Amino acid sequence: SQKIEQNSEALNIQEGKTATLTCNYTNYSPAYLQWYRQDPGRGPVFLLLIRENEKEKRKERLKVTFDTTLKQSLFHITASQPADSATYLCALLNQAGTALIFGKGTTLSVSS
Amino acid sequence: ETGVTQSPTHLIKTRGQQVTLRCSSQSGHNTVSWYQQALGQGPQFIFQYYREEENGRGNFPPRFSGLQFPNYSSELNVNALELDDSALYLCASSLASGDRDTQYFGPGTRLTVL
Repeated sequence: SQKIEQNSEALNIQEGKTATLTCNYTNYSPAYLQWYRQDPGRGPVFLLLIRENEKEKRKERLKVTFDTTLKQSLFHITASQPADSATYLCALLNQAGTALIFGKGTTLSVSS
Repeated sequence: ETGVTQSPTHLIKTRGQQVTLRCSSQSGHNTVSWYQQALGQGPQFIFQYYREEENGRGNFPPRFSGLQFPNYSSELNVNALELDDSALYLCASSLASGDRDTQYFGPGTRLTVL
């Protein structure tokens, strides 16, 4: 079955630095991968979607890369701010096209 | 805000009881998916409804059931509650099933089973 792993449970960085989060997947070749942000006690909020034929995608201070050979996506937040502190989830669509399979998430803490 | 609403916000039940959670999808969305998120874990897919029919199910027992109504709102029912059912239950709506769409999540219902 499809498996998705986010290597770090927690990441602590200083304000202004770039945060880099990793997502790896196995047993599957998804057409796309998504990244969500989740604040405590709230539902996930969609951030970015990257397709298998796209190497990189950007949105403001966010950048996502997708390496289908390594089966890995990297999520970068540049010039990080304390307001970026949250849990970030990566997700891919299952083969049936009916459900998102989520990683456990990486909790990012940005200190000022 | 996504436009997806869920009720109630919090709920406390005892083992063996039954619970119904409700979700109103974003305007124009005809597909609703339900997820269970235990503490420290990512959301786990329970099932999806498209045009009032179940359209995919995750690895959850039959005591988890659902409904979708003509206005695309949805209910999740859980019978014979167990302690492990304590979790955040998330509803997500999207435009179409089987298509590669973004899912828009509601704020969730926090269920505690004692």
